[in-house]
Amino acid sequence: KAGVTQTPRYLIKTRGQQVTLSCSPISGHRSVSWYQQTPGQGLQFLFEYFSETQRNKGNFPGRFSGRQFSNSRSEMNVSTLELGDSALYLCASSPLAGTGANVLTFGAGSRLTVL
Amino acid sequence: GESVGLHLPTLSVQEGDNSIINCAYSNSASDYFIWYKQESGKGPQFIIDIRSNMDKRQGQRVTVLLNKTVKHLSLQIAATQPGDSAVYFCADPGTNTGNQFYFGTGTSLTVIP
Repeated sequence: KAGVTQTPRYLIKTRGQQVTLSCSPISGHRSVSWYQQTPGQGLQFLFEYFSETQRNKGNFPGRFSGRQFSNSRSEMNVSTLELGDSALYLCASSPLAGTGANVLTFGAGSRLTVL
Repeated sequence: GESVGLHLPTLSVQEGDNSIINCAYSNSASDYFIWYKQESGKGPQFIIDIRSNMDKRQGQRVTVLLNKTVKHLSLQIAATQPGDSAVYFCADPGTNTGNQFYFGTGTSLTVIP
């Protein structure tokens, strides 16, 4: 059974650009969550999608957005990149919508560097 | 707001010894906790979980203890091996109903051969 696949694994952008990251969940998983991981802030929740609908959103500016497709694949977009957006972006999938007690399966992440 | 913290940022143990990693949480209504392990270059990997109606849960070489009175949980790893070297996180959803989890800052475990 394939795990959670994130692409690209590494990318470098410059300030002001935008970036799109992709996540393919485990087959059959309908919930996709995104987290940002930085040395200073640790793992922080960005948003969660289930059945193409955003269910929860973390405390991030509107420059961070996402979407989910009918096949459960998800993308997140960051516009007008800032230096502070440099981070590891992790996608996690779960079979259920979430009752606050679901195990998340994480991908390896997309390492974004903003210059 | 919600917070989940880990007591020590780093921990070094001798191979074969037992390791104990601690975590504190702030929300007394939290009723589910997960421990994750993150190796270099990889995403977090599920180790073990526990619900608040339990005080202890055991897995393969790992045990999680939950003390709701002081809002503390710990992860014990028996006979620590070099492959256990990683960063360990505790996480809980607080009162969220979705898959929004609060993660601790992580403890980096180094196993000395």
